[in-house]
Amino acid sequence: AIQLTQSPSSLSASVGDRVTITCRASQGISSALAWYQQKPGKAPKLLIYDASSLESGVPSRFSGTGSGTDFTLTISSLQPEDFAIYHCQQFDIYPLTFGGGTIVEIK
Amino acid sequence: QVQLQESGPGLVKPSQTLSLTCTVSGGSISSGEYYWTWIRQPPGKGLEWIGYIHYSGSTYHNPSLKSGVFMSVDTSKNQFSLKLSSVTAADTAVYYCARDVVISGINYNWFDLWGQGTLVTVSS
Repeated sequence: AIQLTQSPSSLSASVGDRVTITCRASQGISSALAWYQQKPGKAPKLLIYDASSLESGVPSRFSGTGSGTDFTLTISSLQPEDFAIYHCQQFDIYPLTFGGGTIVEIK
Repeated sequence: QVQLQESGPGLVKPSQTLSLTCTVSGGSISSGEYYWTWIRQPPGKGLEWIGYIHYSGSTYHNPSLKSGVFMSVDTSKNQFSLKLSSVTAADTAVYYCARDVVISGINYNWFDLWGQGTLVTVSS
């Protein structure tokens, strides 16, 4: 199975900061990557698909880049509602797999 | 709008079968050629894909799961279900049902709609 490694596993940031999370795949997956946001006690919410396509209704401060094995999720200006856990997911090869998650905390 | 809701026992004994149902409301489970997925998240851990089912009944599941996986769909009730047999403590998790994104008949395998999740604990 393809392994996805997210880094960092957690980070502390302030409102207004630019935040970047990376996701590295154990083998190339083209652009078959999605990003989700999960708040405590809630289900994940789709943010980005196809590595860089913004899901409808998601604020434009979220963006995704990458292809092959290296991907990034960037939040251009962190807002209070963005403090959450972020997960990447590959959909290139079965079984579908997720990264371990990145916790974004308030500094 | 379409909503998903998981239901089932919150406590299952080891070696028994875990059974969950996801009810689709606000839309038909058999419209849009959607695939319907189960995902779980052990406490404090990452997400694990379990498998999907199409309203036609075709399924595919994660071969790495040690517990036996069976999925079914009931279009008359607008529901799909998951059974995991011979469960152990490692199957303790929040279980989510979700909808796969399908475009022009192709299942792209990312998830645009999720249920709220239900915690299932495996313990004697």
